[in-house]
Amino acid sequence: EVQLLESGGGLVQPGGSLRLSCATSGFMFSGPAMTWVRQAPGKGLEWVSSISGDGVTTYYADSVKGRFTTSRDNSKNTLYLQMNSLRAEDTALYHCVIGSSGAAGEGHWGQGTLVTVSS
Amino acid sequence: DVVMTQSPLSLPVTLGQPASISCRSSQSLVFSNGNTFLNWFQQRPGQSPRRLIYKVSNRDSGVPDRFSGSGSGTDFTLKISRVEAEDVGVYYCMQGTHWPLTFGGGTKLEIK
Repeated sequence: EVQLLESGGGLVQPGGSLRLSCATSGFMFSGPAMTWVRQAPGKGLEWVSSISGDGVTTYYADSVKGRFTTSRDNSKNTLYLQMNSLRAEDTALYHCVIGSSGAAGEGHWGQGTLVTVSS
Repeated sequence: DVVMTQSPLSLPVTLGQPASISCRSSQSLVFSNGNTFLNWFQQRPGQSPRRLIYKVSNRDSGVPDRFSGSGSGTDFTLKISRVEAEDVGVYYCMQGTHWPLTFGGGTKLEIK
């Protein structure tokens, strides 16, 4: 069974940092790209970042470029999101998702971890 | 960026009746290899999103066959042949052809 478990969220002051993790199991982690998607309270879905299966190529939304860094450790089956210079508008539930463009066998979502940026 | 426009925003449907959601993209979603990366997600109240359809019309494992996707180019549709109570929630389209990936604004399906 495919499982994605996000952690690392919490309350942080504006300008602060957090590192999110997504521990996975049940599939060959080193194969597919992985993606972070966020959902602000009561809002829709926003793509944040994706990373290729080998970790070499990364993509970022303009809203987070230069502040967030996505990485993965294929030996630990874990995806990461380093979030720096956090702003109030980064407050959201952050989900990790298998895949990026949308292919067979992908599209699984974790339950998410809540990030709240507030003073 | 590719803008994904969904309609309607709200969709009240009688149980057992069909439902249809439209998704239009601001540019063609046909990738250079011929694939069209248009996905549909369902988000039930209080739950994480779940992918229903990938590459326009392919149902994910476990998705009931009352859900179907169709379309091409810039114009796509998600259809539910007979709405059931468990279908209540918000439906999102998402394009995976162009960076940045983009989602539609969502369509809220409710039972009339």
